[in-house]
Amino acid sequence: EAQVTQNPRYLITVTGKKLTVTCSQNMNHEYMSWYRQDPGLGLRQIYYSMNVEVTDKGDVPEGYKVSRKEKRNFPLILESPSPNQTSLYFCASSLTARSSYNSPLHFGNGTRLTVT
Amino acid sequence: AQSVAQPEDQVNVAEGNPLTVKCTYSVSGNPYLFWYVQYPNRGLQFLLKYITGDNLVKGSYGFEAEFNKSQTSFHLKKPSALVSDSALYFCAVRDDRGSTLGRLYFGRGTQLTVWP
Repeated sequence: EAQVTQNPRYLITVTGKKLTVTCSQNMNHEYMSWYRQDPGLGLRQIYYSMNVEVTDKGDVPEGYKVSRKEKRNFPLILESPSPNQTSLYFCASSLTARSSYNSPLHFGNGTRLTVT
Repeated sequence: AQSVAQPEDQVNVAEGNPLTVKCTYSVSGNPYLFWYVQYPNRGLQFLLKYITGDNLVKGSYGFEAEFNKSQTSFHLKKPSALVSDSALYFCAVRDDRGSTLGRLYFGRGTQLTVWP
């Protein structure tokens, strides 16, 4: 089954403790992206990747890192999490950035992160 | 810059009645518009898109959307609402310019509630 898989689904951590949220897709997609969803703010893009070893900042990149060493994986790293990073996070992918004309984003089921 | 506005945080409608979820957009170039739906504890699912062509676009689950260039709107509609349509709906516009090619900008979302 074609899908985007995020892990974990739920995560509670403390301020300053490094964490990684994994994202993997099995559709051979080139384009991958991370969003955070907050009430009243909709979805805001954190980082995106056009292909392997190509990443760029979205609208709210502060406090986050990403890497794209393999096509299928796009982990989100919080080196020193803070309470304002408590949010619902989504990973998404599409075949290529250009093909999102005809190939919409496929989303994972989300990771709910709480930082205390 | 591209942007999307969903003027209603909530829409309530009785089952069997028609529903409309409003969306207006602002783009510099050609508009590429999308609707996504989010059910509880799930990621976003693609409903429909407007790229070019007919102003009335048909999508999944009986939904359709009407593109109106003069009013810069892309309202989501359904002739007869179901209780199972209750969900959070997001409008999005695609950026087709340069270095941000492929990025989607989301509205804040509209919570649709259909009561029996």
